[in-house]
Amino acid sequence: DAKTTQPNSMESNEEEPVHLPCNHSTISGTDYIHWYRQLPSQGPEYVIHGLTSNVNNRMASLAIAEDRKSSTLILHRATLRDAAVYYCILRGHGSSNTGKLIFGQGTTLQVKP
Amino acid sequence: DAMVIQNPRYQVTQFGKPVTLSCSQTLNHNVMYWYQQKSSQAPKLLFHYYDKDFNNEADTPDNFQSRRPNTSFCFLDIRSPGLGDAAMYLCATSRVGQGPFEQYFGPGTRLTVT
Repeated sequence: DAKTTQPNSMESNEEEPVHLPCNHSTISGTDYIHWYRQLPSQGPEYVIHGLTSNVNNRMASLAIAEDRKSSTLILHRATLRDAAVYYCILRGHGSSNTGKLIFGQGTTLQVKP
Repeated sequence: DAMVIQNPRYQVTQFGKPVTLSCSQTLNHNVMYWYQQKSSQAPKLLFHYYDKDFNNEADTPDNFQSRRPNTSFCFLDIRSPGLGDAAMYLCATSRVGQGPFEQYFGPGTRLTVT
């Protein structure tokens, strides 16, 4: 499985945008970029995923570099509730893929009031 | 509204005493996964069931087994727990074969081994 690299930790102020980077230089053509986050004492939750084009949903935006070797998760206005560990994961979507996730260490986001 | 349910939320067992953790889902997803998460670490996939097909990760110890008697339920059996098996155990489900492929996680069972 292709590997991702994320900063160990980041800080943000409440109500400011947050840009969480992820490098995935060995990404293959069939890999989707998935983001999950894990709030304290909870199981991970899905945030967003994309292949080539930028994606938006109610939680966040995902900006994907043209060469797909990096991506950025964007939280438009951070709240205290967004303090979590954010995981960037590559996942194949082929017919033989069973959807398993291989987690890296993720980025711990602290949000300051 | 709970979609992936794990029982119990907290489990204490003795060293070497078999323990079973359970997971159920109301999503009718075809794949169920078990992850182990130790303190301050990322979740680590142990194995998963794709329908009835069991898929073990290469580095999962033999001490860990799983059963999936039907679509809704999946169990994690630890035959002889050691102190190093104390962790949060996370169950997740996914509908593979159709988009959008996200996994839904339960709240986890925190296992303590005394």
